Amino acid sequence: AQSVTQLGSHVSVSEGALVLLRCNYSSSVPPYLFWYVQYPNQGLQLLLKYTSAATLVKGINGFEAEFKKSETSFHLTKPSAHMSDAAEYFCAVTGKGGGGNKLTFGTGTQLKVEL
Amino acid sequence: NAGVTQTPKFQVLKTGQSMTLQCAQDMNHEYMSWYRQDPGMGLRLIHYSVGAGITDQGEVPNGYNVSRSTTEDFPLRLLSAAPSQTSVYFCASSIQGGTYEQYFGPGTRLTVT
Repeated sequence: AQSVTQLGSHVSVSEGALVLLRCNYSSSVPPYLFWYVQYPNQGLQLLLKYTSAATLVKGINGFEAEFKKSETSFHLTKPSAHMSDAAEYFCAVTGKGGGGNKLTFGTGTQLKVEL
Repeated sequence: NAGVTQTPKFQVLKTGQSMTLQCAQDMNHEYMSWYRQDPGMGLRLIHYSVGAGITDQGEVPNGYNVSRSTTEDFPLRLLSAAPSQTSVYFCASSIQGGTYEQYFGPGTRLTVT
């Protein structure tokens, strides 16, 4: 069984400020973890993924995430927010092995970027 | 490559009507799936398929049917639409195994009145 908890359904930051979106996971097998972004009225686009290689993962648009097994966390960060980062962000988990393609999503975090 | 395509983009149904949401991919992916997205609930898996002729239920399968006759296509059928099925539906595909990265279609926004 696997699950994802995203703390904070809405996060607001000023342009140029640090972005931190939190994700904690639960998985009975070694996890694969993903962050997806959804811009208004669009589908989901992969930001980055953790697949048991390096624990610090760099993605597109300046985002990165660090896998911390001891804390069962995979928080998403970006040093300096841009107006174009305003979107909804989803953390997802799957487990290596049988049924591994079945993603379990968190409930999402809406990021607002203010001037 | 077109990637994952979905039709229609918008649909309004009356309670009790049936319809089929279309999904196609041109990446030769074995795995395809359907999710529904509701506010505050993230995406929930409806049905999935690991190859032509093989389908299985996800987390919220009731009221939906699927079939997979070809690698490319994975239609989702609503048998008798209910207001609770008002949602945004996403189709996704991936290779079987590997890094499990899934590619999503643009979605179908369905309203049932």
